[in-house]
Amino acid sequence: GQQVMQIPQYQHVQEGEDFTTYCNSSTTLSNIQWYKQRPGGHPVFLIQLVKSGEVKKQKRLTFQFGEAKKNSSLHITATQTTDVGTYFCCRWVFSGGYNKLIFGAGTRLAVHP
Amino acid sequence: GAVVSQHPSWVICKSGTSVKIECRSLDFQATTMFWYRQFPKQSLMLMATSNEGSKATYEQGVEKDKFLINHASLTLSTLTVTSAHPEDSSFYICSAPSGASTDTQYFGPGTRLTVL
Repeated sequence: GQQVMQIPQYQHVQEGEDFTTYCNSSTTLSNIQWYKQRPGGHPVFLIQLVKSGEVKKQKRLTFQFGEAKKNSSLHITATQTTDVGTYFCCRWVFSGGYNKLIFGAGTRLAVHP
Repeated sequence: GAVVSQHPSWVICKSGTSVKIECRSLDFQATTMFWYRQFPKQSLMLMATSNEGSKATYEQGVEKDKFLINHASLTLSTLTVTSAHPEDSSFYICSAPSGASTDTQYFGPGTRLTVL
C-alpha cells in the first residue's frame, strides 16, 4: 500500500541510552518527512530528506535516507526524558490530483529516568 | 513557524448530534488543508483533502455524507461530523502546508471528540 512500514512499534529505554527507529518502503520515495508527536499533542515537523544517502543531524538526532531511497532511519543519541513521544515517518503520495501526506505507524518512545 | 489553530480543542456531545470543527491558518493562506483522525495509540489516518473553491477529496472508506468538509476561505476549513455516534469518538487533526503542497505540514492542536 501507500503507507511506509515503521519499526519498532514501541521502544522503552533508560535515559542516556540510544534509540533508533526505522522506516521502510517497497517503492522508491521521492522524499520522506519525520514528525514527532508528544503525548496529548499534535505532530511537529522534524525534517525532510530528499537526496539518496542523505544524512542530516539536529543536535542528538541523526536522520538518514537510504541509497535506494526506500528506507530511512532516525537515531537519537543519549536519550532524555524530553524525547518521549511518537516518531512518525511520512511519505507524500500523489493521488486523485493531490499530494497527500501519509503517516507510518509510528514508533512510541518511552524514556525512563 | 506557521500557525494552525483548531476550535474547539475538545467537545463532548450526545449520540445523534452534529459537531463542527474549525481549522484556521493564522498567518498564511492555504488552498489545501488536510483532515486526519487518530484513535488512541494509533497513527494518523488521512480522512480527506479540503480544497478552497472546490469539493473535498475523501479517502477510501470515509463517508462524505457523514464528514462534511467546507473550505470557506483561504484560511478556514471546517469538518462537520453529522449524526455522531460513539465510534466517531477520536482525535481530529487538521494540517496545512505553508507553501508548496509537499512542503512542511503545520498541524493544528487537534480536537478531541467524545460522543456519549
